[in-house]
Amino acid sequence: DGGITQSPKYLFRKEGQNVTLSCEQNLNHDAMYWYRQDPGQGLRLIYYSQIVNDFQKGDIAEGYSVSREKKESFPLTVTSAQKNPTAFYLCASSMGYEQYFGPGTRLTVT
Amino acid sequence: QKEVEQNSGPLSVPEGAIASLNCTYSDRGSQSFFWYRQYSGKSPELIMSIYSNGDKEDGRFTAQLNKASQYVSLLIRDSQPSDSATYLCAALGQAGTALIFGKGTTLSVSS
Repeated sequence: DGGITQSPKYLFRKEGQNVTLSCEQNLNHDAMYWYRQDPGQGLRLIYYSQIVNDFQKGDIAEGYSVSREKKESFPLTVTSAQKNPTAFYLCASSMGYEQYFGPGTRLTVT
Repeated sequence: QKEVEQNSGPLSVPEGAIASLNCTYSDRGSQSFFWYRQYSGKSPELIMSIYSNGDKEDGRFTAQLNKASQYVSLLIRDSQPSDSATYLCAALGQAGTALIFGKGTTLSVSS
C-alpha cells in the first residue's frame, strides 16, 4: 500500500530530552513537510523539504531540526530548546500542490 | 502575516441538510485552495482542491472560489452524521511551497 507512515503514534518524554519523530513515504513524492497542531488551532509549519539534502524553515522552526538524506524519509527532532513541545505532529508529502498527511504522532513532554 | 480565517463554529445542521463552510484569505497572490476534513484525534484528509474561480463539484461536495473577494467555501449536500468533523481551509502561499491553514470549523450533523 502506498502512503505515509509516522511512528510512534504516541510518545512520552521527560523535559530536557531530545526526541526524534519518524516520517516515511512510499509515494515517490518530492516534497515533505512537518506541521504542528495544538488543541483548537490550525496547523503550523515547522520545516519543509522540496528535494533531498535541502530543507527550509517554516513559521515555527525554533527548537526543531530535520534531515532529508533520502527521498522517502524526513525525520524531525524536537530538541530540549523547544519551550512547549507537547503537541500533535503531522508529516505530509506532495508531488504537486496537493499535500497528503500521515497519521500523526502525539508527543507529550512532562 | 498571511492568514486564513474560518468561523470556528460549531456549525450544527440536521441530517439531509446543506452545510455551508466559509473561509477568507489575506494573501491576494494565493492561487490554490484546499479543504481538509479532520475527525477528532485523526490527521487531516484532503477532500477538495480548487484553483480557478467558480464552482467545483465532487459527489456531495462543492467548493467555490471567488478570488476578487478572497473567499472560499465548501458546500456539503445531504449532510450525514459521518460528516461531523472539523473542516480545515488551506491556501497555498504565493511562493507555492507551503500551505497556510485556518483554525478550522467544527461541523455537527444530527440524525
